[in-house]
Amino acid sequence: DGGITQSPKYLFRKEGQNVTLSCEQNLNHDAMYWYRQDPGQGLRLIYYSQIVNDFQKGDIAEGYSVSREKKESFPLTVTSAQKNPTAFYLCASSIASSYNSPLHFGNGTRLTVT
Amino acid sequence: QKEVEQNSGPLSVPEGAIASLNCTYSDRGSQSFFWYRQYSGKSPELIMFIYSNGDKEDGRFTAQLNKASQYVSLLIRDSQPSDSATYLCAVFRYNTDKLIFGTGTRLQVFP
Repeated sequence: DGGITQSPKYLFRKEGQNVTLSCEQNLNHDAMYWYRQDPGQGLRLIYYSQIVNDFQKGDIAEGYSVSREKKESFPLTVTSAQKNPTAFYLCASSIASSYNSPLHFGNGTRLTVT
Repeated sequence: QKEVEQNSGPLSVPEGAIASLNCTYSDRGSQSFFWYRQYSGKSPELIMFIYSNGDKEDGRFTAQLNKASQYVSLLIRDSQPSDSATYLCAVFRYNTDKLIFGTGTRLQVFP
């Protein structure tokens, strides 16, 4: 079945450590996205990529980094520079970054940093 | 003013009733409008999308768009307890190539 796989589902880290969240899709979608969701807030865009080897910052990119070496994969690294990393992280993809392309979401990774 | 606004709720409706969820947006350049459903602890799933003024129906769901008044609504007919979730409105602005999400409305359908 086609879909988006995020791993792990839960992740616990100590403050000061970098951590990488995995996102893989087999939908053959061109565009991929990372969102962050906090209680009481809408989804906020961290980074997005429309083609391989290219990506753009979203609204809250500080403290995060990404890579897009393969069409299927878009990993997100949460660095120690991110001041409030504890959140629910959602990866999504769409056929193209255009106005009529709905997002398809993975199941999310819940990151807790203590 | 937030770009996309939704009443956080909870909106409580009895089983079998019509649930009406509303969303307003600030940018008149917005072109596409999406409704997602998110169960607690899960990821959002697309319910439907609408681009043109008027109504669009899909099963028990109807999306209504009024660009002049800058609002989009989602009606759920014959509401079921399984419809209890948070409903996210998302608006796409072509000039910025960005999808902006509202904070969601929590719907509770009681038996």
